[in-house]
Amino acid sequence: QQPVQSPQAVILREGEDAVINCSSSKALYSVHWYRQKHGEAPVFLMILLKGGEQKGHDKISASFNEKKQQSSLYLTASQLSYSGTYFCGPSRAGGGADGLTFGKGTHLIIQP
Amino acid sequence: NAGVTQTPKFRVLKTGQSMTLLCAQDMNHEYMYWYRQDPGMGLRLIHYSVGEGTTAKGEVPDGYNVSRLKKQNFLLGLESAAPSQTSVYFCASSGQYGGGGQETQYFGPGTRLLVL
Repeated sequence: QQPVQSPQAVILREGEDAVINCSSSKALYSVHWYRQKHGEAPVFLMILLKGGEQKGHDKISASFNEKKQQSSLYLTASQLSYSGTYFCGPSRAGGGADGLTFGKGTHLIIQP
Repeated sequence: NAGVTQTPKFRVLKTGQSMTLLCAQDMNHEYMYWYRQDPGMGLRLIHYSVGEGTTAKGEVPDGYNVSRLKKQNFLLGLESAAPSQTSVYFCASSGQYGGGGQETQYFGPGTRLLVL
């Protein structure tokens, strides 16, 4: 069952902040976040592990609430290069060697 | 390092024809995956492999077969193509799972398949 991402789409001005949420109905071991630009392959952003700390990458950070089975991606002071579709991919308890079940994605458009 | 490569980049098939998509990785990864991506549906797992000689079904395996005869290659076959299989197909690979971030999946550039 696919995780649920919200919002489905968001349009921002450069410099504004955004939050993308990901919820799963299953117990999670870890959550992956990927970004895909139009016509390109998804690219890994970060992974959050059960019991781990909040991670960050430049001005993009994420959190993982194991009890609520939710993860959130935070984009601070967004840049034009942040535009794209963001996917969360939770993996089940015990590891994710059997692949990720991705959400349907959140389309992010950053305008100058 | 080329990373993950896919062949072909684009293909047009007629209903009922067969074809094989090739995925190759040069990172010595154990795990390999085939996903399909359709508008509004995100990425859905078709089949995956946890090592040479092993394969397993993913979320949407019907109509596809796979083989992993060599560690670096993962083949996706369509025996009798249908219009519903029109999609973009992505292959991915990852290293050992151990909680240290090795789970990162590296994606190939994709194969665009149109079935008429």
